[in-house]
Amino acid sequence: SYELTQPPSVSVSPGQTARITCSGDALPKKYAYWYQQKSGQAPVLVIYEDSKRPSGIPERFSGSSSGTMATLTISGAQVEDEADYYCYSTDSSGNRIFGGGTKLTVL
Amino acid sequence: EVQLVQSGAEVKKPGESLKISCKGSGYSFTSYWIGWVRQMPGKGLEWMGIIYPGDSDTRYSPSFQGQVTISADKSISTAYLQWSSLKASDTAMYYCARPPIYCSSTSCYTGDAFDIWGQGTMVTVSS
Repeated sequence: SYELTQPPSVSVSPGQTARITCSGDALPKKYAYWYQQKSGQAPVLVIYEDSKRPSGIPERFSGSSSGTMATLTISGAQVEDEADYYCYSTDSSGNRIFGGGTKLTVL
Repeated sequence: EVQLVQSGAEVKKPGESLKISCKGSGYSFTSYWIGWVRQMPGKGLEWMGIIYPGDSDTRYSPSFQGQVTISADKSISTAYLQWSSLKASDTAMYYCARPPIYCSSTSCYTGDAFDIWGQGTMVTVSS
């Protein structure tokens, strides 16, 4: 079955740039989306259709996609950005799938 | 304000049935798909399925097809997720969520991802 692969963890210091990757064979043809989930809370959509930012999401969050890899970039990560991040996309059959998640530590 | 409000936490025994709910408000309930997402304790998100309350068109993830039933009652703007026989492995947080509709000057389309989420319903199945 189709999978989206993310690194289990990423760690940065406050003010540094955090990059979280997501690889999947269908990404050249399918959009990638990114969710942020803080402990005990529902997920929040931070990037849609590869690189678009929903209203209310800080500008330090950006997304890109090239070939089989999508990337979420947090420029100048802040302590409050510490969370789990999930990529999301569809496979060639239209099934929706989440990546396994990446724990971002900012300290 | 657009909201999805889910029913409260449930504690059930293996073999029991269960139906949890998700009530939409602040928007046209019949015009937007509503989906369900599972999160097992300490684990990631899993897309379960989605329903269009306007005509009850329902799609399931292959992983959940036959394991759960998604339904909706448009007269009360409520979507449901139900089990006929719970297992301990169904213990999880369940979220309902709604994708957006994006419009240009010429057309509109439903986004693939969810941008509005319910608060979650914790289901615990234990003997």
